[in-house]
Amino acid sequence: GAVVSQHPSRVICKSGTSVKIECRSLDFQATTMFWYRQFPKQSLMLMATSNEGSKATYEQGVEKDKFLINHASLTLSTLTVTSAHPEDSSFYICSARTSGNLSWEQYFGPGTRLTVT
Amino acid sequence: SQQGEEDPQALSIQEGENATMNCSYKTSINNLQWYRQNSGRGLVHLILIRSNEREKHSGRLRVTLDTSKKSSSLLITASRAADTASYFCATALNQAGTALIFGKGTTLSVSS
Repeated sequence: GAVVSQHPSRVICKSGTSVKIECRSLDFQATTMFWYRQFPKQSLMLMATSNEGSKATYEQGVEKDKFLINHASLTLSTLTVTSAHPEDSSFYICSARTSGNLSWEQYFGPGTRLTVT
Repeated sequence: SQQGEEDPQALSIQEGENATMNCSYKTSINNLQWYRQNSGRGLVHLILIRSNEREKHSGRLRVTLDTSKKSSSLLITASRAADTASYFCATALNQAGTALIFGKGTTLSVSS
């Protein structure tokens, strides 16, 4: 159990366009989802925390108007990279957490490779 | 923000040798977790150790936690070429519902 999927697994887009990445919890309800970004040969950096039905909380230095996060249901969160630029090229990973006794468990998606040309 | 620092940043060993990676963190934690990531792939959860535990084993993995020094170590015994990957520690703060914060990672290369 506790599977998180991401779609697409990789995407190439042109500079100036927007890209939407979906994160789904397949067999549990995720009250909280997290979005991370990982540049080549670096670690995962937390971008934002989203709770179902409320606005996302962004980490310092992450532009909320550029990285739009919507957590409209207990199984789906989306990250939209607006007006993408080559420097946004990165590996985006989501994770999901339940609200129950296993609230310390955080389940990760397989990641989405974004390349902006 | 990043909580942890791992050392070494890179480690190259021969098959059969043991690999030890260390992680230090800055604030009080509820638990510390270790993950593996193969190049360009997603994360694989290896082991979780709670703040009231000092040592934990899982197969060829041994993890220690020293909360007084705010440090943890991951030992992989009898390494295999398939262990080649990046290894990250991640800390969970005491506040439930907060995100895991990752260290910078150690890149392990095991040659046959």
